[in-house]
Amino acid sequence: DTEVTQTPKHLVMGMTNKKSLKCEQHMGHRAMYWYKQKAKKPPELMFVYSYEKLSINESVPSRFSPECPNSSLLNLHLHALQPEDSALYLCASSQGFAVGGARQPQHFGDGTRLSIL
Amino acid sequence: AQTVTQSQPEMSVQEAETVTLSCTYDTSESDYYLFWYKQPPSRQMILVIRQEAYKQQNATENRFSVNFQKAAKSFSLKISDSQLGDAAMYFCAGRLGGATNKLIFGTGTLLAVQP
Repeated sequence: DTEVTQTPKHLVMGMTNKKSLKCEQHMGHRAMYWYKQKAKKPPELMFVYSYEKLSINESVPSRFSPECPNSSLLNLHLHALQPEDSALYLCASSQGFAVGGARQPQHFGDGTRLSIL
Repeated sequence: AQTVTQSQPEMSVQEAETVTLSCTYDTSESDYYLFWYKQPPSRQMILVIRQEAYKQQNATENRFSVNFQKAAKSFSLKISDSQLGDAAMYFCAGRLGGATNKLIFGTGTLLAVQP
């Protein structure tokens, strides 16, 4: 069983739809991440939240909007996506970036497989 | 620039045999952390093993061990007594120091295990 839970597991949406991906962890981690992964490629970092504040945005298009309501939850709001946005979206968490946090691994969820029609 | 390189896109091993996956990295920092992740077709990214740069002893987790050569900036993964369940994509990754704290991934090695 994964300690990072992502919902839904699969999502099919049209280019005009608005949907949200959800991620939840209860490990007390204070850093949370969104990655995009294409088939047989490594994950690409999209966003990093540290202590509920957005600390890294890897120049992601504004049609992706992250939100961190509290230390356990991370959302990714989707609007007007393009076909090339079809991918596996992975959420991860890790201990905060205070001293010692960098040595801790990231724990990943199962991902949401997103298909844009 | 901080980079992680995996030069073997695909590898194959017979069940019960040993296989080594290669990884090299580049960083100018002295304090960094290296990881191997496994991603089976079920798609969850699973931590296999980790190594802290300041530790000279190679990390070991059951059938998985690393050969960490700091001077050569090499971090290979050895899988002993390979099992069918080891078939997966393996990613080498590193938090290579400095202010960023990003996890930098290699391009991955797809491991097939032959019965």
